[in-house]
Amino acid sequence: DQQVKQNSPSLSVQEGRISILNCDYTNSMFDYFLWYKKYPAEGPTFLISISSIKDKNEDGRFTVFLNKSAKHLSLHIVPSQPGDSAVYFCAASPGSYQLTFGKGTKLSVIP
Amino acid sequence: DAGVTQSPTHLIKTRGQHVTLRCSPISGHKSVSWYQQVLGQGPQFIFQYYEKEERGRGNFPDRFSARQFPNYSSELNVNALLLGDSALYLCASSLRGNEQFFGPGTRLTVL
Repeated sequence: DQQVKQNSPSLSVQEGRISILNCDYTNSMFDYFLWYKKYPAEGPTFLISISSIKDKNEDGRFTVFLNKSAKHLSLHIVPSQPGDSAVYFCAASPGSYQLTFGKGTKLSVIP
Repeated sequence: DAGVTQSPTHLIKTRGQHVTLRCSPISGHKSVSWYQQVLGQGPQFIFQYYEKEERGRGNFPDRFSARQFPNYSSELNVNALLLGDSALYLCASSLRGNEQFFGPGTRLTVL
């Protein structure tokens, strides 16, 4: 039973355009959400997070949106750059340090 | 500042053997978590330690054990290795809350 779902295994975007990565969750106890980026042969790198008391958080080119009623969050990258090409993982926590991850979305930014 | 470090980088074992993986957290971080990532999946939570106490355990068999030392470094031990234990083992440390910072991982291959 997957509690965090990333339904798009892959996404291709032109350089300079917006990348939108989506994530759905089922556990109502989740109250903190994170996005990680992962390159091959490296550990996940923390990108941005959001608490359930907010609906938006921005950090430079990265913005995370949270829709609690729909149990949905998304990561927007604007503008997309070739260096953004990686696997992006959505993770959620019920405030217990234990992170539950989705399966990831592979983003390819085409020059 | 040094990030999370893990050793060894790669490891090859045979079925039935035992393995010990090591992790040093970011300086000042008192919490260490272990995750297993198999190909095509997101990281799956194994253990979380804080101040040398186990705070959480994921759905893994008793063959998996861990401990945290007074300097906050940690070891993950796996006994009676199975082929299915082949995976990337990730260690993450955190200072507060849910933002966890990952090491590069140890790639374990069980033959």
